[in-house]
Amino acid sequence: DVKVTQSSRYLVKRTGEKVFLECVQDMDHENMFWYRQDPGLGLRLIYFSYDVKMKEKGDIPEGYSVSREKKERFSLILESASTNQTSMYLCASSPRTSSYEQYFGPGTRLTVT
Amino acid sequence: KNQVEQSPQSLIILEGKNCTLQCNYTVSPFSNLRWYKQDTGRGPVSLTIMTFSENTKSNGRYTATLDADTKQSSLHITASQLSDSASYICVVSLNSGGYQKVTFGTGTKLQVIP
Repeated sequence: DVKVTQSSRYLVKRTGEKVFLECVQDMDHENMFWYRQDPGLGLRLIYFSYDVKMKEKGDIPEGYSVSREKKERFSLILESASTNQTSMYLCASSPRTSSYEQYFGPGTRLTVT
Repeated sequence: KNQVEQSPQSLIILEGKNCTLQCNYTVSPFSNLRWYKQDTGRGPVSLTIMTFSENTKSNGRYTATLDADTKQSSLHITASQLSDSASYICVVSLNSGGYQKVTFGTGTKLQVIP
């Protein structure tokens, strides 16, 4: 059964802290994605990776960085958290096929105070 | 600009009733369209996928339709159940070089009440 896990369901951090969000998939998928989801805005792509050590900016990469050292793990890093980064963060993975279904993790609700 | 618009934003229906959710898109070149269901506090889960040549796809009580000419899709839910309460997200993929880029709608929040 397909599984994408995220390191935390809820996280509270202070402004200026460095924040790591971890995502692991067990499906040997090539592609991995980080989104944030805010009310009324839908899912917005922050970064994605189509291979180990490869990364591409999404629509809203400012204030974020990512790391993919292993195929199964994709990390999102907030170098200096700010209150406007309070959001639900969703990780997803997909195989490199034409059907291109993305499988999502449960999400991490991050609050920056 | 590639966009996906969904309506209504929210909907309340009685258990057992049917409902239809709408999705209009301007994404081009179109590859496929998916409907996802997202329960509160969970990640989205795919319900159906349709390519350009398909105009209807069913998954149990969920039936999706696609009109590629008018760039419209709908998701019809038959005999709704309390467990159908969720957000429904329309996602359109386009071919962009060697990979597919996806555009998400903002979703329709459905509440089914007893």
